[in-house]
Amino acid sequence: DIQMTQSPSSLSASVGDRVTITCRASQSISSYLNWYQQKPGKAPKLLIYAASSLQSGVPSRFSGSGSGTDFTLTISSLQPEDFATYYCQQSYSTLTYTFGQGTKLEIK
Amino acid sequence: EVQLVESGGGLVQPGGSLRLSCAASGFTFSSYWMHWVRQAPGKGLVWVSRINSDGSSTSYADSVKGRFTISRDNAKNTLYLQMNSLRAEDTAVYYCARERTYYYGSGSYGRFDYWGQGTLVTVSS
Repeated sequence: DIQMTQSPSSLSASVGDRVTITCRASQSISSYLNWYQQKPGKAPKLLIYAASSLQSGVPSRFSGSGSGTDFTLTISSLQPEDFATYYCQQSYSTLTYTFGQGTKLEIK
Repeated sequence: EVQLVESGGGLVQPGGSLRLSCAASGFTFSSYWMHWVRQAPGKGLVWVSRINSDGSSTSYADSVKGRFTISRDNAKNTLYLQMNSLRAEDTAVYYCARERTYYYGSGSYGRFDYWGQGTLVTVSS
């Protein structure tokens, strides 16, 4: 099975900061990588798909990059509503759709 | 408006069974692959199972294989998860999610674009 590893597990940042979260796959997954945001008590929300495509309605301060095994999610200027937990997910294997363990973004 | 509404969660004893439902509306249900994803209290997201659009193909996480069965009724626009031989470690919020596919070049990129609100399953004596 494909394993997904995110780093860091948690991150403290301030409003206006530029933040980068990394996701690494245990084998090449081309660009089959999605990013989700989850707030407490809520369902996850899709942010980025196919590694770098912005989901409709998602602010342009969110961007994704990478291919193969290494991927990043960047928030260019943190807003108060961005403090949440972020997950990467591979969709390369249609037998198992593995999520990363999550990155909790907290206010500094 | 796309809506996914889960139901059927609750308290069940270890070894017991439960069937979750996910009622879909606002889109052509029979055209989409569907998934179940769970989240134990305070933990991360874990993919559980998926079913293709006509129900002819399914897959499962190793942790539930042989105990859980995913199915769908396209006439009723409803997704199901039959959970048997439940264990304490199955305690979680269970979400259903729709998979949308993006075609680019030779690739077909799936992503979970709509999620339900989740239903809590608690396995405890």
